[in-house]
Amino acid sequence: AQSVTQLDSQVPVFEEAPVELRCNYSSSVSVYLFWYVQYPNQGLQLLLKYLSGSTLVKGINGFEAEFNKSQTSFHLRKPSVHISDTAEYFCAGRSEKLVFGKGTKLTVNP
Amino acid sequence: EAGVTQSPTHLIKTRGQQATLRCSPISGHTSVYWYQQALGLGLQFLLWYDEGEERNRGNFPPRFSGRQFPNYSSELNVNALELEDSALYLCASSLSGRSYNSPLHFGNGTRLTVT
Repeated sequence: AQSVTQLDSQVPVFEEAPVELRCNYSSSVSVYLFWYVQYPNQGLQLLLKYLSGSTLVKGINGFEAEFNKSQTSFHLRKPSVHISDTAEYFCAGRSEKLVFGKGTKLTVNP
Repeated sequence: EAGVTQSPTHLIKTRGQQATLRCSPISGHTSVYWYQQALGLGLQFLLWYDEGEERNRGNFPPRFSGRQFPNYSSELNVNALELEDSALYLCASSLSGRSYNSPLHFGNGTRLTVT
């Protein structure tokens, strides 16, 4: 069975600082990985996806993620965060169903 | 292009009643998924419909049920509501669910409150 683990439940960071949100996956079948963002009182918005090919994936809002097969990781990064990036971020893996990690709340402070 | 739409936005019911939540997928998408996001429990997979058929079901009791209509819209029904059913219910759609590389696109959810 596929599972996804987000290693940090909360990440506080100052504006314009870099950030990394960590995600590890386990899978015995195919690997399709996604990062979603959820702003307060909204649904989930797709940030980026890894399907195959280049291990560095670029998404919206300046986010990127790197697929690392040997470490079974798919960490999300942004070199300089804004106040507006404050939200909850979910890593997800797909086989028959999309399985989510428990989420990481990113708080960007001024 | 219109995204996934869900109705109603908010729903307040009392314990023991039934709730019906509705979802319209993105045009061209044939798969619809339902997730429950309860406080402290993360996103839990409920149901997956693809081309009118139920394809997979999460670990929820039978009082959670649904269906998908010929136009691919979907309905989630929750019978005999319990207080712990209070949650945000998210619907998502994708191109054929048999293509696992097709991302899910989510609606803004229905906030169900059971009193």
